[in-house]
Amino acid sequence: ILNVEQSPQSLHVQEGDSTNFTCSFPSSNFYALHWYRWETAKSPEALFVMTLNGDEKKKGRISATLNTKEGYSYLYIKGSQPEDSATYLCAFIAPLRFSNSGYALNFGKGTSLLVTP
Amino acid sequence: DGGITQSPKYLFRKEGQNVTLSCEQNLNHDAMYWYRQDPGQGLRLIYYSQIVNDFQKGDIAEGYSVSREKKESFPLTVTSAQKNPTAFYLCASSIWTSGNEEQFFGPGTRLTVL
Repeated sequence: ILNVEQSPQSLHVQEGDSTNFTCSFPSSNFYALHWYRWETAKSPEALFVMTLNGDEKKKGRISATLNTKEGYSYLYIKGSQPEDSATYLCAFIAPLRFSNSGYALNFGKGTSLLVTP
Repeated sequence: DGGITQSPKYLFRKEGQNVTLSCEQNLNHDAMYWYRQDPGQGLRLIYYSQIVNDFQKGDIAEGYSVSREKKESFPLTVTSAQKNPTAFYLCASSIWTSGNEEQFFGPGTRLTVL
């Protein structure tokens, strides 16, 4: 199983603080990297799908960068709000291990963010 | 509303019984997936289906079975051969399977085996 590492495991910030998390993945045979946000009692929702080295994507106050050569992606949240509290998952696309075709997401354990007023 | 539904939300079963978890989508997506989450671990792929009547094993398929008779439905059966079935199960779908498409997730089913 491909190792996708996320850090930190958890983070507690005050409202208004900016924050960032890291996702590390194998740098060989890169296909795509996904970021998802998973709020408590809800379904995970896609934030970004990143495919090109140097990609930078933005959605409101959240942005992400991608470095495929060194195998990492950063997720930034500017001016955190309580509604940003969630677990942020990154996932690396790789071929299925037990099949001749198809790809699968390999998920990290996530970074749990708590933003307090 | 378009989306993915999973039922039931909570499921309790006695050890040794097979149990089937439902997953339905009305997004017209070709690909569907089953994941398992355990405390302190990332989501792990159980099974995956690219199209109707086709499915592939994920990383932890032992003790599970699936079917894909309709595009909209991808039920997962947790058999008595699964040694540690208590977990949270998530179903997902995507338009296709190149890896560049985001996945849409259902609300999950929490299975507890007593």
